[in-house]
Amino acid sequence: AQSVTQPDIHITVSEGASLELRCNYSYGATPYLFWYVQSPGQGLQLLLKYFSGDTLVQGIKGFEAEFKRSQSSFNLRKPSVHWSDAAEYFCAVGGNYGGSQGNLIFGKGTKLSVKP
Amino acid sequence: DAGVTQSPTHLIKTRGQQVTLRCSPKSGHDTVSWYQQALGQGPQFIFQYYEEEERQRGNFPDRFSGHQFPNYSSELNVNALLLGDSALYLCASSPKWWGGFLSGNTIYFGEGSWLTVV
Repeated sequence: AQSVTQPDIHITVSEGASLELRCNYSYGATPYLFWYVQSPGQGLQLLLKYFSGDTLVQGIKGFEAEFKRSQSSFNLRKPSVHWSDAAEYFCAVGGNYGGSQGNLIFGKGTKLSVKP
Repeated sequence: DAGVTQSPTHLIKTRGQQVTLRCSPKSGHDTVSWYQQALGQGPQFIFQYYEEEERQRGNFPDRFSGHQFPNYSSELNVNALLLGDSALYLCASSPKWWGGFLSGNTIYFGEGSWLTVV
């Protein structure tokens, strides 16, 4: 079955420290991978996406993610966290539905808290 | 350039009632999808519309129905509301249905409509 697992429900890091959020997926076809961020009471904002090519992708707000096919992982990283990064982060996988766009399957999210 | 816009922002309904949520896609987008996000969960796919037809559907009962208009805007209707329907309903749009993600499509989300069923 297609699924996304985010093993960490809640992570707390100090401001200025590095961050890695884990994501593992199970998908039978070619996966298209996404990270979204959701601030309290808000919708989802796209941070970055992986479709093909270079397995290290850069996104907005200084985030990057690395696709590792052998580990079925797409972990999100940031070298130095800012207090404004506190939010919930969702990993998602999608695929093509025939020749058209399929839906996204989301993980349950990881809540990031930032200590001053 | 306006992004995906949804209305209303918040609403409260009583069990058994019906609700309609509305969505205007991002300019230039022709595909609209709806997702339900329960508290503490990730979004779950409800259905997707393209050219005014439902193209895909997730694991949701027939109480959930939708419509897409010629201007690409969309409505989500939920009948016979249950307490468990309380959630954030997210609308998402993307530039073109055909070609899928392989053509570089990206899905953009609105800020959602918070539905509380009492």
